Amino acid sequence: DAMVIQNPRYQVTQFGKPVTLSCSQTLNHNVMYWYQQKSSQAPKLLFHYYDKDFNNEADTPDNFQSRRPNTSFCFLDIRSPGLGDAAMYLCATSSGETQYFGPGTRLLVL
Amino acid sequence: GNSVTQMEGPVTLSEEAFLTINCTYTATGYPSLFWYVQYPGEGLQLLLKATKADDKGSNKGFEATYRKETTSFHLEKGSVQVSDSAVYFCALPANQAGTALIFGKGTTLSVSS
Repeated sequence: DAMVIQNPRYQVTQFGKPVTLSCSQTLNHNVMYWYQQKSSQAPKLLFHYYDKDFNNEADTPDNFQSRRPNTSFCFLDIRSPGLGDAAMYLCATSSGETQYFGPGTRLLVL
Repeated sequence: GNSVTQMEGPVTLSEEAFLTINCTYTATGYPSLFWYVQYPGEGLQLLLKATKADDKGSNKGFEATYRKETTSFHLEKGSVQVSDSAVYFCALPANQAGTALIFGKGTTLSVSS
């Protein structure tokens, strides 16, 4: 089935050690999103791509970066993870108003 | 930009009880409205949507009607099951220009047998 895939499902990193989360899609959608979701909170948009155009939310910390090398793949790079970055990271795609989410990557920072 | 307010839980029900989760919004124009569901440890899944006033979205026994008079999009189900236990998010586009969504704070539903 066409879907949004996130790897890994669980990621453990050390304080300050760079980490990359991956997302791929088989839906061929032109928009991809990264959300951060902390425990018992709503997802918060970090940034999104419209094709190759990158759109950063105003309050997204500089510590978070993203790359989209092609339509299918999108990466979230956290340059120096802090304890406060521990969260679920959700990737989503859309070709209209409806968004389709991956299962998420849960990041633990030790 | 647009905003959404969702009733906070948790909501605890017995199996076969009636469910209502309230959602109200403020928006420019008449955007599409969505309900997403998140099962434990999983990402969000689209549950239903409505694209214009008076539309009723429905899926898996859940329904929600787009009411512009009351700017509401309440989620209802006539008879809940244990498997409906999850977190439910009301959502709409953040503004008219883009496709990014804003979400309510989520309502945790717990159904016991």
